[in-house]
Amino acid sequence: EDQVTQSPEALRLQEGESSSLNCSYTVSGLRGLFWYRQDPGKGPEFLFTLYSAGEEKEKERLKATLTKKESFLHITAPKPEDSATYLCAVHPLSGNTPLVFGKGTRLSVIA
Amino acid sequence: DTGVSQDPRHKITKRGQNVTFRCDPISEHNRLYWYRQTLGQGPEFLTYFQNEAQLEKSRLLSDRFSAERPKGSFSTLEIQRTEQGDSAMYLCASSPGTGRMFFGEGSRLTVL
Repeated sequence: EDQVTQSPEALRLQEGESSSLNCSYTVSGLRGLFWYRQDPGKGPEFLFTLYSAGEEKEKERLKATLTKKESFLHITAPKPEDSATYLCAVHPLSGNTPLVFGKGTRLSVIA
Repeated sequence: DTGVSQDPRHKITKRGQNVTFRCDPISEHNRLYWYRQTLGQGPEFLTYFQNEAQLEKSRLLSDRFSAERPKGSFSTLEIQRTEQGDSAMYLCASSPGTGRMFFGEGSRLTVL
């Protein structure tokens, strides 16, 4: 069964304190790995797609990386507006299976 | 705005009542998905349409749930005889088939 595990469940950072979020996955074949940001009461907002091990994508203070078993979302010098839940999802290779999401990491950045 | 829109944004109902949610996808997207999300959890897949055909249904989708996408445009998700356990955020997403999903703001259901 396709599975996504995210850690930590919650993370509290001081403004400017860099850190990383982890996404471990088990999937029969990987078509792509997705990162989304979700603000309270809102729908998930797309951040990145990664397709193969070794790939990296960057956007402002965020950088996503991918290995064969996990992905990291690195946050450099975060600001309070980066506070949100970050969701990781895998798109399995087989059939029409849609995205399988992890439970997310709730990030709080304190000024 | 050409994003995914959902209606209503919030619905409070009494146990046993029927509720219906509507989703208008991005117009050029042929794939439409429904997910359910409860507090502290990630979105869980419910069902998926390609054009008007419903191609996948999760085991989570009990007999009380039904979804339609007439003419391959908007979609509706109906829950009959609601139960307190149905309280959740119902998310709709559309996709052009690349795997990337564009989500709406969600419809929050509270069953009293």
